[in-house]
Amino acid sequence: AQRVTQPEKLLSVFKGAPVELKCNYSYSGSPELFWYVQYSRQRLQLLLRHISRESIKGFTADLNKGETSFHLKKPFAQEEDSAMYYCALNAGNMLTFGGGTRLMVKP
Amino acid sequence: DTAVSQTPKYLVTQMGNDKSIKCEQNLGHDTMYWYKQDSKKFLKIMFSYNNKELIINETVPNRFSPKSPDKAHLNLHINSLELGDSAVYFCASSPGTGLYEQYFGPGTRLTVT
Repeated sequence: AQRVTQPEKLLSVFKGAPVELKCNYSYSGSPELFWYVQYSRQRLQLLLRHISRESIKGFTADLNKGETSFHLKKPFAQEEDSAMYYCALNAGNMLTFGGGTRLMVKP
Repeated sequence: DTAVSQTPKYLVTQMGNDKSIKCEQNLGHDTMYWYKQDSKKFLKIMFSYNNKELIINETVPNRFSPKSPDKAHLNLHINSLELGDSAVYFCASSPGTGLYEQYFGPGTRLTVT
């Protein structure tokens, strides 16, 4: 069975600091991974997917199959990045979400 | 306004009651989902429908019964509500099964007293 683990429930950084939200997965097949974000009072939305290898809002994430990780990174955090972030694994036409990490960017 | 919509936004009810949550998408998607987000923010899939047919049912008590009258709607009916059913329920849709982005509704906060 697939599993996604986000070890940090809360991550608090100052504006301008680098940020890394950790995500580890367990899956026997070829993983397809996503990051979803939920800003305050907004609906959950896709931030990026590993297959696209793109940077969205300054965020990047690299799939590391050896470490079974898909950490989300941004070199300089902004206050508007404060939100709930979910890592998700697509396996068998189903998204399995991690427990989520709340990112707080302080001024 | 193209989106995934859910009604009601808030639902407060007593144990033992039966209630429904409605979901509609006007994105022309074939696949719809129901997720449950508990008090600790864990988000877990409950059901998935593709072209009105159930394709995923993740060990959800049979008090929960999804109904898809057409591709644009996936409603969730809950019988004999229990305290543990209190959560935020999210509907989502995607163009199909597989590696598509899922579009989420705003959520329905269900409180069982």
